[in-house]
Amino acid sequence: NAGVMQNPRHLVRRRGQEARLRCSPMKGHSHVYWYRQLPEEGLKFMVYLQKENIIDESGMPKERFSAEFPKEGPSILRIQQVVRGDSAAYFCASSPQAGGQETQYFGPGTRLLVL
Amino acid sequence: LAKTTQPISMDSYEGQEVNITCSHNNIATNDYITWYQQFPSQGPRFIIQGYKTKVTNEVASLFIPADRKSSTLSLPRVSLSDTAVYYCLVVNILTGGGNKLTFGTGTQLKVEL
Repeated sequence: NAGVMQNPRHLVRRRGQEARLRCSPMKGHSHVYWYRQLPEEGLKFMVYLQKENIIDESGMPKERFSAEFPKEGPSILRIQQVVRGDSAAYFCASSPQAGGQETQYFGPGTRLLVL
Repeated sequence: LAKTTQPISMDSYEGQEVNITCSHNNIATNDYITWYQQFPSQGPRFIIQGYKTKVTNEVASLFIPADRKSSTLSLPRVSLSDTAVYYCLVVNILTGGGNKLTFGTGTQLKVEL
């Protein structure tokens, strides 16, 4: 059973460009979480999605950031008009269901560098 | 949301037992404790979780006293490959909208020969 997959692993963008990060959850998992990690810091929650629904986006900046998890295909985290401060590692996690003591399984992350 | 406090760093040698203690003084009745491990350039990996007393798996043990205001992750006979950052998290069991995890800065464990 393949784990959580993220691509690309590394992404370089110039200021003002768009970044699209993809996450394929583990097979059978319908819940996806996105986190951001700045250097020397812990992960910070951004958004929680189920298939076709955003459940909690309280950690996501109101502007330039959006996320989706369509019925078919991977979850996408989209950052428009990137700025240098967006440079970070972005991790996706998935779980089979919400609540209880469900473990979140993390992907390898996408490292975004904004020049 | 229960705040956690753990040492910034710890050093050990191969073959020793390592105990990392985490304080969570305002843990709620519906909260449980979970620990993750993170290697450089990788995503966090689940280690162990528990609610009270002692939990043991093939990787580690988790000790939680009766008042649940702290917990201790115990790694038996560490090796160089256990060098990583270890995160203690408190998670609410009743969060209907999913368990968004709150990571602190973790404990950087360094294992030497």
